[in-house]
Amino acid sequence: AQKVTQAQTEISVVEKEDVTLDCVYETRDTTYYLFWYKQPPSGELVFLIRRNSFDEQNEISGRYSWNFQKSTSSFNFTITASQVVDSAVYFCAVVIGGGADGLTFGKGTHLIIQP
Amino acid sequence: DSGVTQTPKHLITATGQRVTLRCSPRSGDLSVYWYQQSLDQGLQFLIQYYNGEERAKGNILERFSAQQFPDLHSELNLSSLELGDSALYFCASSVEDLLGAGNTIYFGEGSWLTVV
Repeated sequence: AQKVTQAQTEISVVEKEDVTLDCVYETRDTTYYLFWYKQPPSGELVFLIRRNSFDEQNEISGRYSWNFQKSTSSFNFTITASQVVDSAVYFCAVVIGGGADGLTFGKGTHLIIQP
Repeated sequence: DSGVTQTPKHLITATGQRVTLRCSPRSGDLSVYWYQQSLDQGLQFLIQYYNGEERAKGNILERFSAQQFPDLHSELNLSSLELGDSALYFCASSVEDLLGAGNTIYFGEGSWLTVV
């Protein structure tokens, strides 16, 4: 079965610092999809990005960037010039091609941005 | 706003009772998923429906059941509730089932269930 590890339980940084959230996944399937979701204090889960296993191109969206490396089974998320509004719990997730197990989430990383 | 609508947003009920959570997927989405988020178990996949039929099953208890109706809305029924069922229940939707390429799963705001 697949597994996602987010080793950082909580990270606290001062506003404007860059911060990287780590995500390591395990799966035996060659076709899989990786996701990042943001859960702000209000509770909803907000979709950030989806990446296919056969597309290792890194992606940048404004202050957000993602580094996908199949060689290390990692899909890390970096926020540049962090802002207080970035404070939230961030979840990494994986789904294998068959989809029978749904999304497998990591435990999440609680990111605190201090003003 | 993801476009996925869940009701009720908050619910408090007693042990042994039965509740129904409702979900309307995004317009055009055929798949509906239910997830449970609790402090000890984290986010867990419960069940998926695709165009009215059960598509995949996760860690859903026998006391729980779900269905998807012809208009594609879905309901999650939780019965014989226990204190440990207190959690945030999410509904999510996507256009296709997970086998489809380019598929993104959008979550609703969740239904907070407290069992007392």
